Amino acid sequence: DTGVSQDPRHKITKRGQNVTFRCDPISEHNRLYWYRQTLGQGPEFLTYFQNEAQLEKSRLLSDRFSAERPKGSFSTLEIQRTEQGDSAMYLCASSLDYRTADGYTFGSGTRLTVV
Amino acid sequence: DAKTTQPTSMDCAEGRAANLPCNHSTISGNEYVYWYRQIHSQGPQYIIHGLKNNETNEMASLIITEDRKSSTLILPHATLRDTAVYYCIVRVAYNYGQNFVFGPGTRLSVLP
Repeated sequence: DTGVSQDPRHKITKRGQNVTFRCDPISEHNRLYWYRQTLGQGPEFLTYFQNEAQLEKSRLLSDRFSAERPKGSFSTLEIQRTEQGDSAMYLCASSLDYRTADGYTFGSGTRLTVV
Repeated sequence: DAKTTQPTSMDCAEGRAANLPCNHSTISGNEYVYWYRQIHSQGPQYIIHGLKNNETNEMASLIITEDRKSSTLILPHATLRDTAVYYCIVRVAYNYGQNFVFGPGTRLSVLP
């Protein structure tokens, strides 16, 4: 287990379609985070999980967005009825829980283009 | 909102030390300074963090002023592969539900 894996790396979709991204965190990490990054900006927090529980959601996460981590391992982020404004890099990260001061380990991201 | 201020961009000659400054004048006593970098088309990479003492690891050194209102990340011998956006973030050390808030960072260009 060498790091955080995200799939797919790139996704092009038509406006109005649904898309789903997958994140596989580092196996012993029980926290998983989703961020979104638009061109020229730093990553913005979307949501995070402690094991299978979704503990926080940003106001950026509209009703069209849903994230799951059903068994406390991998996670999926779904965007329904995509809009052009959803075009961004979607980043997943993982970490141990609160008992560590270490930073997060990020994946390489999924770049979404809505046409 | 990000609690730090960084220059938008910097250049550094290959082989020289890159010194990246960060101002965090409102830092609280229980907040650490974290640095990440992001190479083009990749996710952010954790570099180092510290509270008040200077820290060094295999990637970089972190120098924090005595009043903790500013810090400097030092890449001792910059290479072309160090070209990236560098983010300075202040946050409590332990993951008590507080997430990393990224600002726009400093775009470092290492020149041959």
